[in-house]
This record gives sequence, structure tokens and C-alpha cells, in this order.
Amino acid sequence: GQQVMQIPQYQHVQEGEDFTTYCNSSTTLSNIQWYKQRPGGHPVFLIQLVKSGEVKKQKRLTFQFGEAKKNSSLHITATQTTDVGTYFCAARPNNFNKFYFGSGTKLNVKP
Amino acid sequence: DTEVTQTPKHLVMGMTNKKSLKCEQHMGHRAMYWYKQKAKKPPELMFVYSYEKLSINESVPSRFSPECPNSSLLNLHLHALQPEDSALYLCASSQEPSQMTGGGETQYFGPGTRLLVL
Repeated sequence: GQQVMQIPQYQHVQEGEDFTTYCNSSTTLSNIQWYKQRPGGHPVFLIQLVKSGEVKKQKRLTFQFGEAKKNSSLHITATQTTDVGTYFCAARPNNFNKFYFGSGTKLNVKP
Repeated sequence: DTEVTQTPKHLVMGMTNKKSLKCEQHMGHRAMYWYKQKAKKPPELMFVYSYEKLSINESVPSRFSPECPNSSLLNLHLHALQPEDSALYLCASSQEPSQMTGGGETQYFGPGTRLLVL
């Protein structure tokens, strides 16, 4: 079956440090989305990447889609306590009509 | 209005009970989803409705029965659940189903219903 691996599972950083989570697929993807879920909350859409090698930025967040469209990353520069939560990628393989969620990376930021 | 609402927020039910979860969106979205999320796990897709028709059933046990009365509403009927069915049940909607191209696949999630089966 389809597998979407996401690493690391947990990340503890000091406020101000950078953070990166990676999402890897065994098959070529049509597109990939990233979501953030705060503790006790629900997933909130952050971004969608479609093109090979695409890079998108949202303030301190940088999203990349690999050239082969099999991997993606989310990088946060200078983390803040408001960045705390679990970050999920959701990948749609080519010729599939649904998204597969990665296992998530839980980010904790110490003030 | 970019909101998906779900009721109830919390539900406790016995294994012999029948209950229903409700979801509503008024964004004109044509795809609606039910997900199940256990603690510290990603959301797991259960059902997808496209244009009010069931398009995906991820081999969900028949004790879960979805219903889409109209384009704005999605229900999940529960009957004879097991304790291991306790989880957060999330509803989501998107402008278009995922088989369409060109975007419109952003999923907007509701706050979820926290279900406890005793």
C-alpha cells in the first residue's frame, strides 16, 4: 500500500532555533499538502505544492517539493512558542484520488 | 464563511447505543470527508462524498454508516460501537474532490467530535 514517511516523530527546540520536518513517499506524487494541528485542535491547512522543485514561503515557514516529486520539507526559521503543534504532510500519489497523511512531527518550543 | 461545524463536541456512548455525528459547511464545497484520529496519530480517512454520492469507503466496519442528506450536511451514524472506536472524529470539506485537477483540494477541517465508547 501507499506509504508516506515523516521524520522526525518529535522535535524539541529552544525558542529562536530552526526546525525542519521531512516527508518521503515511495511513489511519485501529484501534489502534497501541509497541515498544522495545535494540541487539542484540528488540522489547519498551511500550503499545497504541485510543481517539481517548487518552493513556497509563508513568513518564517518555507515549504519545498523535491525535484522527483517524492519528498517534501517544511522549515521554520527562528521558532516561536506559537509554532507548537503537530505538523502533518498529506500526499496524493499520481493516479490516486485521495491524500495519505504522514505520521506527523510534533514540535515543542521551549521559551 | 470558511467554517466547518461539527456537533456534538463530545459524546459518550455505550456499546448498545445508537448515535449520530453531524457536520455542516456553507462554503459550497462539493466534497466532504470523515476521518478518525486516535491520540498521537494522523487522521485516517473513513469516507469521502463527492457531489453527495459516496465515492470512497476505506473498508470501514458497517457499525459506521455515513449519510449525505444534501450538499451542506454530512452525518455519521453510529451503532454497536466498540471501546476501540473511541477517537476524535473529524469532518472536512473541499471545493472539489481529489480526482479533479488544478487545485480546489484544500481540506477544511471541523473541530471534531471526541467520542468515548464505554
